[in-house]
Amino acid sequence: GQQLNQSPQSMFIQEGEDVSMNCTSSSIFNTWLWYKQDPGEGPVLLIALYKAGELTSNGRLTAQFGITRKDSFLNISASIPSDVGIYFCAGQEAGTASKLTFGTGTRLQVTL
Amino acid sequence: DGGITQSPKYLFRKEGQNVTLSCEQNLNHDAMYWYRQDPGQGLRLIYYSQIVNDFQKGDIAEGYSVSREKKESFPLTVTSAQKNPTAFYLCASSIYELAQHFGDGTRLSIL
Repeated sequence: GQQLNQSPQSMFIQEGEDVSMNCTSSSIFNTWLWYKQDPGEGPVLLIALYKAGELTSNGRLTAQFGITRKDSFLNISASIPSDVGIYFCAGQEAGTASKLTFGTGTRLQVTL
Repeated sequence: DGGITQSPKYLFRKEGQNVTLSCEQNLNHDAMYWYRQDPGQGLRLIYYSQIVNDFQKGDIAEGYSVSREKKESFPLTVTSAQKNPTAFYLCASSIYELAQHFGDGTRLSIL
């Protein structure tokens, strides 16, 4: 099965900095989701996107559904220490009802 | 509170032994999923069920089996045929819009 290409794989940033990460696919997706996972726990849904071009915010997080329907972006503004974790993108590929494909994750470390 | 409960949190398996991981949800979701997560990798789909008494293989179903006799329960059995079972197993559920909600996982290790 396909896995989405997520970049960067990891990043170290200072508290207060903005963060950007993206997810790309070779095929068209109908839905994009962004999750955050803390060590030893299950992923928690951050943002869901259902329409090409859609831009959605959740507090300091903003995500966009790329207009080509082959990519998505997540931005975190003014990072804080509790933003540390692994961020996963996930998407529903066109023609694959009820199944999600997950990215390989971006590990975020925030230094004081 | 509504949510997904996975048990146990940690599980150890001997060689040649089958083990069953529990997943229960009280969200009234129709669809349920099992994923496997290995270090440094994303989630890979093992099995999923869209409705009671029906389930489909995911991308890595070999060596695993499931049942869906009740809407709220979707147990996963890791059989002895699964030669590399050490991993973090995650259960999820969703309603039609695909935004899946996850449990806190079961970490399976081989003795």
